[in-house]
Amino acid sequence: GENVEQHPSTLSVQEGDSAVIKCTYSDSASNYFPWYKQELGKRPQLIIDIRSNVGEKKDQRIAVTLNKTAKHFSLHITETQPEDSAVYFCAASGEKVNNNDMRFGAGTRLTVKP
Amino acid sequence: GAVVSQHPSRVICKSGTSVKIECRSLDFQATTMFWYRQFPKQSLMLMATSNEGSKATYEQGVEKDKFLINHASLTLSTLTVTSAHPEDSSFYICSARGPGELFFGEGSRLTVL
Repeated sequence: GENVEQHPSTLSVQEGDSAVIKCTYSDSASNYFPWYKQELGKRPQLIIDIRSNVGEKKDQRIAVTLNKTAKHFSLHITETQPEDSAVYFCAASGEKVNNNDMRFGAGTRLTVKP
Repeated sequence: GAVVSQHPSRVICKSGTSVKIECRSLDFQATTMFWYRQFPKQSLMLMATSNEGSKATYEQGVEKDKFLINHASLTLSTLTVTSAHPEDSSFYICSARGPGELFFGEGSRLTVL
């Protein structure tokens, strides 16, 4: 089955700096890679995703890159703000609607210091 | 956007009792829903896949007689923690594949005294 590894487990940056979180996956058949943001005690929310036919995707301050050959993908947050502080999870799965193969990384606790 | 609602958000029960948690897809049909358990400062661990009209599929190490799952309609799945013990205390979250992405419920924090 799929195995997703995520680094670092904690990340502290100064407001305005960039933050990068990296994930690797094991199953070459995976082709959907979402990133979720989870605030304390709340539900994970999708912030950006990428599919294997795309190498990079950007949405305002957030970008995700995918290297399918190396089986790794990264989340980049630029101009970080205190409200970006949360736990971020990467995940990998196939695309089938009823597929139960989505696996999550261990999470990265991002702290943005004002 | 699509919404998944989970209830209750918090429940406290005595050891030995059973607790039922509901997960509803509010504006889309979900033939499959997923149940996760999340320990403090840890990731989402898939417990089981709930299939409408058929038996749930449990992940290795998850006791199916302990965590009963029923998916009786296209919009509702329930997780019942039977004979709960303090070690069952955790944050339980459901999800469903909606239009284009996976949507999560709000989560249910179970505390077993």
